[in-house]
Amino acid sequence: GAGVSQSPSNKVTEKGKDVELRCDPISGHTALYWYRQRLGQGLEFLIYFQGNSAPDKSGLPSDRFSAERTGESVSTLTIQRTQQEDSAVYLCASSSGVLAGARYNEQFFGPGTRLTVL
Amino acid sequence: AQSVTQLDSHVSVSEGTPVLLRCNYSSSYSPSLFWYVQHPNKGLQLLLKYTSAATLVKGINGFEAEFKKSETSFHLTKPSAHMSDAAEYFCVVSEGNTPLVFGKGTRLSVIA
Repeated sequence: GAGVSQSPSNKVTEKGKDVELRCDPISGHTALYWYRQRLGQGLEFLIYFQGNSAPDKSGLPSDRFSAERTGESVSTLTIQRTQQEDSAVYLCASSSGVLAGARYNEQFFGPGTRLTVL
Repeated sequence: AQSVTQLDSHVSVSEGTPVLLRCNYSSSYSPSLFWYVQHPNKGLQLLLKYTSAATLVKGINGFEAEFKKSETSFHLTKPSAHMSDAAEYFCVVSEGNTPLVFGKGTRLSVIA
């Protein structure tokens, strides 16, 4: 079956422009996560969606970052007025999230979108 | 708040020799602990996970890790390194309904 897919795989943009990154989770997975990986660093949690609950936005670094999810399918991460420090690989993951403490379920990661802000 | 420290940013071993990647964690509760591997230009893959069952956890590709509460450690080991093991490895901690916390990663190099 298909895994988590992300598009585009690479995005180069100019400082100040807005960008949208897309994530298609595994079908049937109710939990979806966005992370950021800066060069040489571990992953930083950005935002978490679980079913119809309000998303956990505690990891978003500024109000220039936002994300939406349509039901239990596609999610879009939007970065407005991009800055050079936004350059990173943005990773999306999904999990079945059916157990209490859903974050314990294995997260399946997409290949990421490499964002470069010039 | 939980945290993870991967003690080595880079580990280099010869093919066929043992691998040890060290991880210490800090957690207020009984954590779940994971090791993920990231090969160049590929997505993250779960190697193994500890979720309060057996303290010695076996994962894929011959890797295993032991949860030691007294030492707050979750070191990753493999008896014999293979060239294909060269990758970035991340130790991850989770407790309850809080975001996953990733270590900064250890780059494993395997020398022929």
